[in-house]
Amino acid sequence: EDKVVQSPLSLVVHEGDTVTLNCSYEVTNFRSLLWYKQEKKAPTFLFMLTSSGIEKKSGRLSSILDKKELFSILNITATQTGDSAIYLCAVIRDDKIIFGKGTRLHILP
Amino acid sequence: DGGITQSPKYLFRKEGQNVTLSCEQNLNHDAMYWYRQDPGQGLRLIYYSQIVNDFQKGDIAEGYSVSREKKESFPLTVTSAQKNPTAFYLCASTGGVYQPQHFGDGTRLSIL
Repeated sequence: EDKVVQSPLSLVVHEGDTVTLNCSYEVTNFRSLLWYKQEKKAPTFLFMLTSSGIEKKSGRLSSILDKKELFSILNITATQTGDSAIYLCAVIRDDKIIFGKGTRLHILP
Repeated sequence: DGGITQSPKYLFRKEGQNVTLSCEQNLNHDAMYWYRQDPGQGLRLIYYSQIVNDFQKGDIAEGYSVSREKKESFPLTVTSAQKNPTAFYLCASTGGVYQPQHFGDGTRLSIL
């Protein structure tokens, strides 16, 4: 059965800390891996990763995919209270997207 | 601005009642999706449609129904057969199967 597993499920850190969120997957016919940030409502798209070893970066956020070991990480450096959210990992296979349960990140001021 | 509009934002259902959640997009996307989100459960796929007049069941379709009569619209009906409907419902669309999904702001459904 296809699955996407995120860890940790929740994380509390202080502002300024660096965090690493993990996503491992077992999915047949893998196409791409996605990261989303969800605050109160709609998830917003962060990154799409298709190739192994190529880091994608946007400001303080970065992500990389390892297709051999079947995982991805999302790094957030110099965290701010506005980074508090649920971070969702999802894998696109041939006909649909499979989501993990998310990591709930809380940044303390 | 292009986007996905879900309505209403909050909905209350009485026991034995069917309710319909609206999802409209003006992104000209072919594929549309409905997800249910429960605390600590991530997103679970209810139904999806890749083209007008066609749709497929997702992982948790029991107690739900959909229609896709227009490209822009993909309403979800939560029937009385769904015994635990209290959840946050998200609609999404994508311009291609291998593209990221765009999400609406969701509808929160509660039981009275």
